[in-house]
Amino acid sequence: GESVGLHLPTLSVQEGDNSIINCAYSNSASDYFIWYKQESGKGPQFIIDIRSNMDKRQGQRVTVLLNKTVKHLSLQIAATQPGDSAVYFCAENRLTGNQFYFGTGTSLTVIP
Amino acid sequence: EPEVTQTPSHQVTQMGQEVILRCVPISNHLYFYWYRQILGQKVEFLVSFYNNEISEKSEIFDDQFSVERPDGSNFTLKIRSTKLEDSAMYFCASSEEVGRNQPQHFGDGTRLSIL
Repeated sequence: GESVGLHLPTLSVQEGDNSIINCAYSNSASDYFIWYKQESGKGPQFIIDIRSNMDKRQGQRVTVLLNKTVKHLSLQIAATQPGDSAVYFCAENRLTGNQFYFGTGTSLTVIP
Repeated sequence: EPEVTQTPSHQVTQMGQEVILRCVPISNHLYFYWYRQILGQKVEFLVSFYNNEISEKSEIFDDQFSVERPDGSNFTLKIRSTKLEDSAMYFCASSEEVGRNQPQHFGDGTRLSIL
């Protein structure tokens, strides 16, 4: 399953399938990005980060892709599990300071 | 795994009253932050704090807000005279190193409800 930008806030996938969550960030000067996972009643949980000098970074079952040309970030989750159900936010760090600017989020639901 | 802890988990306060939200950042972290999330909206930056002073603040962080690190472990956010629109989840975060491009680790938040 695949979502497009921040205009499609929900994504449902079958357990075991791969998930792709997309994010269109706003500032071309942003040079550091984090994907956070937020489960109900919890705070944002760090998943993976990427700096602007890279276009791909892999973690355990997750991959982040960065396309600076079109200001696009994606999170790929392999073999999605029910525990992956959550809201996923991309956050960008701009040159102006240490604060992060969060996207609207995409709600991922994994269907057993 | 070390984590950021926040208390209370839920705070209910009458409009106009003062409220203090408390956070214990990860122990070896140097940079501290407050963010808020109004229901159904984005997480928004409020303030960052380093070396016992405010490093950055957003437009939201007006004169009604203040932060303090009263001892070696706690980091607090005070709202002096709460308004209905202050109702939100408030998240504390910390990062280990000074400087930009550092991962920020969040607590589970305090839900603030203003009546």
